[in-house]
Amino acid sequence: SQQGEEDPQALSIQEGENATMNCSYKTSINNLQWYRQNSGRGLVHLILIRSNEREKHSGRLRVTLDTSKKSSSLLITASRAADTASYFCATAGNTGTASKLTFGTGTRLQVTL
Amino acid sequence: DAGITQSPRYKITETGRQVTLMCHQTWSHSYMFWYRQDLGHGLRLIYYSAAADITDKGEVPDGYVVSRSKTENFPLTLESATRSQTSVYFCASQLAGASNEQFFGPGTRLTVL
Repeated sequence: SQQGEEDPQALSIQEGENATMNCSYKTSINNLQWYRQNSGRGLVHLILIRSNEREKHSGRLRVTLDTSKKSSSLLITASRAADTASYFCATAGNTGTASKLTFGTGTRLQVTL
Repeated sequence: DAGITQSPRYKITETGRQVTLMCHQTWSHSYMFWYRQDLGHGLRLIYYSAAADITDKGEVPDGYVVSRSKTENFPLTLESATRSQTSVYFCASQLAGASNEQFFGPGTRLTVL
C-alpha cells in the first residue's frame, strides 16, 4: 500500500504564483524526499528532509515536516512555466530497510503563462 | 558521464513471452532499484539490490526476476509477460546510506498485448 498520499492530485496556477503541495504518510520515517517528474521522463530528486528537521529550503523550494501529524508540504515560490511537472513525496523507513523509498501518487502541477 | 541508462526505451511484446529490461549505472552505487509506474498507483517498488549478488523483494515482485552479478548492472526479467505488466518501468540507483537521494533512469515503456 502507498505510504505517501499527495494533495491535491492536480494544481493549476499562473506564472509567478506560489504552489503548495501536501503529503501525508502512515508510519515513522527516517527521512522524506520530494521528487519532480517531467512528462515522459524519470524522476529527479529535489530535496530531502530528515525526521529531526522541521523546515528546509533550497532555492525557490521550501519543505516542512510535521512528524506528529505525519505530514509534509512542498512550497514552490514564484512559479515558472518550467515548473510544470508531477511532484512526488517519498518516505524512507525507520528500520533496517531505510534505503527503500515508498512513493505517493503525486501532484500534477500546471503553471500557465 | 552516462549516469544511469535503461534499454530498451520502448518495448511491445505478447502475453507469455519472456522480456528482459536492462539497467546500467556508471557511478558504482551500491543500491539499485526497479519500480513500475501506473496511473493511480504512483511508483511501486518491484525489487531492489543492496550490492552485487544481494537482491530482495519490494512491494510487487510477483512475475519478475532480477539478478545482479555486477555492481553496475541490474536487469529485470518478466519470465512470462502478462497484460497486467504493461507499465512504465524505472530503474534507480543510490549511494549506500538512508539519507541519500535516488537517481532515476529515463524509463522503459512496456506494452504487453
